[in-house]
Amino acid sequence: GAVVSQHPSWVICKSGTSVKIECRSLDFQATTMFWYRQFPKQSLMLMATSNEGSKATYEQGVEKDKFLINHASLTLSTLTVTSAHPEDSSFYICSTGLVGSYNEQFFGPGTRLTVL
Amino acid sequence: GENVEQHPSTLSVQEGDSAVIKCTYSDSASNYFPWYKQELGKGPQLIIDIRSNVGEKKDQRIAVTLNKTAKHFSLHITETQPEDSAVYFCAASQRSGGFKTIFGAGTRLFVKA
Repeated sequence: GAVVSQHPSWVICKSGTSVKIECRSLDFQATTMFWYRQFPKQSLMLMATSNEGSKATYEQGVEKDKFLINHASLTLSTLTVTSAHPEDSSFYICSTGLVGSYNEQFFGPGTRLTVL
Repeated sequence: GENVEQHPSTLSVQEGDSAVIKCTYSDSASNYFPWYKQELGKGPQLIIDIRSNVGEKKDQRIAVTLNKTAKHFSLHITETQPEDSAVYFCAASQRSGGFKTIFGAGTRLFVKA
C-alpha cells in the first residue's frame, strides 16, 4: 500500500495562532487526499476531500475559512488551522486515496494538535 | 447517506481465544468494506478488506465475511495475541458519492495474557 507521512506529529500552540499540518504521499502520486479529525475515543470524521490542483470539497459543518486545505502537488497536501481555539484541539489524520474501482485508503500517522 | 453501525464497542478476550466484530451498513450501493486497526496515538492501518463481489476473505489469523443481502460484514480474529489489542474500525465505501468512506464507531479490543 501507499506510505503516508505527516508533519508535525504533535504541536502545541496558543489561541489565535495558525498551525499548518503537512501530509505527504511518499511512494504514490495522490490526486486525492482526505483529511479527518478524531476526538478521544471516537471515530474518524471526514473533514474534507483534497484534490490536486483544485479546491477542496468540505463536509457539511466544516468551516472552509478556518480549515484551509492546499493540494498543490501530487505528493503534498496541507491543512492550516487558522485562528486556532481550544476546541480545535484534536487528532488530525490524512489519507491518500487509491481512487479507482474501489476507495482504498492509506492513512498517515496523525498529528496531535493542542491549543492552549 | 451511508450509515455504518459497529458492535461491540468494547471486547475483552483471553489470549488464544477468537474475537468477532460485527458491522452493518445501510446503503446497498456500497461495494468496498475495509477494516482498520488503530493503536494509541497512531493513524489507522488497513488490515484487511473485502469487495462486494466476494463473500469471504482470509489472511492468516484474520478473516472477513460479507453478507450483501443482510448488509452485514464481520471481522474474525483467531488465536488472539496481546499485540492484537487496539481499536478496530470497520468502514464502507462506494464508487459514487465522491468515494467517501464512512467509518463505524470503533471497537476497543483487549486481549488478556
